[in-house]
Amino acid sequence: SQKIEQNSEALNIQEGKTATLTCNYTNYSPAYLQWYRQDPGRGPVFLLLIRENEKEKRKERLKVTFDTTLKQSLFHITASQPADSATYLCALSNTGNQFYFGTGTSLTVIP
Amino acid sequence: DTGVSQDPRHKITKRGQNVTFRCDPISEHNRLYWYRQTLGQGPEFLTYFQNEAQLEKSRLLSDRFSAERPKGSFSTLEIQRTEQGDSAMYLCASSLDDRDNSPLHFGNGTRLTVT
Repeated sequence: SQKIEQNSEALNIQEGKTATLTCNYTNYSPAYLQWYRQDPGRGPVFLLLIRENEKEKRKERLKVTFDTTLKQSLFHITASQPADSATYLCALSNTGNQFYFGTGTSLTVIP
Repeated sequence: DTGVSQDPRHKITKRGQNVTFRCDPISEHNRLYWYRQTLGQGPEFLTYFQNEAQLEKSRLLSDRFSAERPKGSFSTLEIQRTEQGDSAMYLCASSLDDRDNSPLHFGNGTRLTVT
């Protein structure tokens, strides 16, 4: 079955720096990859989608890359702010109907 | 867009009891999903509806779990004879079936504690 791994350790960075989160997968060939943000006690909130034929997607301070050879997606938050502190989840799908989620990475931006 | 709403927000029950959760998706969304999430883990897929048809169920979903979406609008998830291992956050999400990459819109979940 598919395996989706994200940074196992929590990530702490200084305000203003770029946060880089990793999503690696095996036994899977996703056509779509999404990134979500989740705050404590809340449901995940969609951030960005990238397709298998796209190398990079940007939205404001967010950037996602998708390398199907390495089976990896990188999620970058530039000029990070304390309000960016949350858990970030990647989700993969090969049909667009059902998405499998990674374990999530907890990000803390220190003022 | 009033968002996806789930009821109740919290449920505490004794082992062996049955529980039922409700999800009201965004009104024009025809896809509805149920996920389960435990502490420190990502959401785990349980089942998915397209309108009123249940199209897919996870093999992890035991026969104690049943979900319905009778008129293609709200959905219910029932757990019979609850066990302590059922304690988790149950998340509902909906999406619009206009393309194969529609984002999921999640509710804030029902937290179940089985004592």
